Amino acid sequence: KAGVTQTPRYLIKTRGQQVTLSCSPISGHRSVSWYQQTPGQGLQFLFEYFSETQRNKGNFPGRFSGRQFSNSRSEMNVSTLELGDSALYLCASSLEAWASGTFYNEQFFGPGTRLTVL
Amino acid sequence: AQSVTQPDIHITVSEGASLELRCNYSYGATPYLFWYVQSPGQGLQLLLKYFSGDTLVQGIKGFEAEFKRSQSSFNLRKPSVHWSDAAEYFCAVGGGSNYKLTFGKGTLLTVNP
Repeated sequence: KAGVTQTPRYLIKTRGQQVTLSCSPISGHRSVSWYQQTPGQGLQFLFEYFSETQRNKGNFPGRFSGRQFSNSRSEMNVSTLELGDSALYLCASSLEAWASGTFYNEQFFGPGTRLTVL
Repeated sequence: AQSVTQPDIHITVSEGASLELRCNYSYGATPYLFWYVQSPGQGLQLLLKYFSGDTLVQGIKGFEAEFKRSQSSFNLRKPSVHWSDAAEYFCAVGGGSNYKLTFGKGTLLTVNP
């Protein structure tokens, strides 16, 4: 089974521009989550989508937005880029499953998109 | 609020030596606990997870971790480290239908020949 794929792998933008990142989950996974990784703040949760609906949202400004399509693919958008938005953006997909009374939702991560804002 | 503390920012071990990476968590309900590994420029690879049941869990690459509820800990261990284990290791906590994983700051592992 193919893993989580993210495109593009690298991006360079300038301040004030906007950017769209794409994530294709593992086949059959319906939940997609996004994380931002920076040296200073570490890994931080952005948002999570399931069946085209945002179910969870982290503590990020409204410049960060996302969506999910009917095929579970997801995009995130950052508008009015700032220098501090430079980061590795990671997407993770999850297959929800119940077994023996336990809810399983382990997340599998893609390789990330490295965004540099100049 | 959920949180994870990894007290060791950087650990150096010799190849063949044993390894223990510490992780303490704070979570208001039954936690789901994870260890991920990240090589430079790469995404996160899941090493092992704890959802319920046996508190000693086995993962890939010879790693294991033990969940200790009384100590709010989920330490990662490996009996004999290989040079290829050099990477950054992240402990994370989440729970049930809560898809928000909270990560620790990570522990960078260096392996000396």
